[in-house]
Amino acid sequence: SQELEQSPQSLIVQEGKNLTINCTSSKTLYGLYWYKQKYGEGLIFLMMLQKGGEEKSHEKITAKLDEKKQQSSLHITASQPSHAGIYLCGGGNFGNEKLTFGTGTRLTIIP
Amino acid sequence: NAGVTQTPKFRILKIGQSMTLQCTQDMNHNYMYWYRQDPGMGLKLIYYSVGAGITDKGEVPNGYNVSRSTTEDFPLRLELAAPSQTSVYFCASSYSRRRNTGELFFGEGSRLTVL
Repeated sequence: SQELEQSPQSLIVQEGKNLTINCTSSKTLYGLYWYKQKYGEGLIFLMMLQKGGEEKSHEKITAKLDEKKQQSSLHITASQPSHAGIYLCGGGNFGNEKLTFGTGTRLTIIP
Repeated sequence: NAGVTQTPKFRILKIGQSMTLQCTQDMNHNYMYWYRQDPGMGLKLIYYSVGAGITDKGEVPNGYNVSRSTTEDFPLRLELAAPSQTSVYFCASSYSRRRNTGELFFGEGSRLTVL
């Protein structure tokens, strides 16, 4: 079965600094999803990447998917307290409708 | 816009009791999923369904059962609750990924404690 590994597991960053979260799949992905979860709340969809080499941005968050479609990174520029939370990558394989998620990265922003 | 609705939001069970977590969506989505999230961890897929009458196991199906008699509803049944089933449960739905972006829409979660 497909596994998604995220790194780091937790991250403490000073406000205003940049950061990167990585997501690695053991198999080629059909699509890669990034979600954010505020502590104790539901999941918020950030973006989806489907093509090898694809890059998407929304406000200060940029996500990239490598050409082989097995690795993705999420980059936050000039972090703010509102960026704090748990970031989860999710993915599926072509022809398999299971959508599994990574282990999550807990992001803390300190003033 | 109701989206995905889960009930109950909180529940405490005694070991050996049974219960059903309800999930309903009003977006006419084909796919529905049940995940569990243990403290500080990611999501683990319990069961999923690609349409009414069709269900399949995910990563951690033991101790759970599901049914999908309608497009809208996807209840999760816990038989003989155990402390290991203490978790937050999320229901999600989506269109077919071949037809759409495949974005999952999540419910707000159901926090279950088994004592």
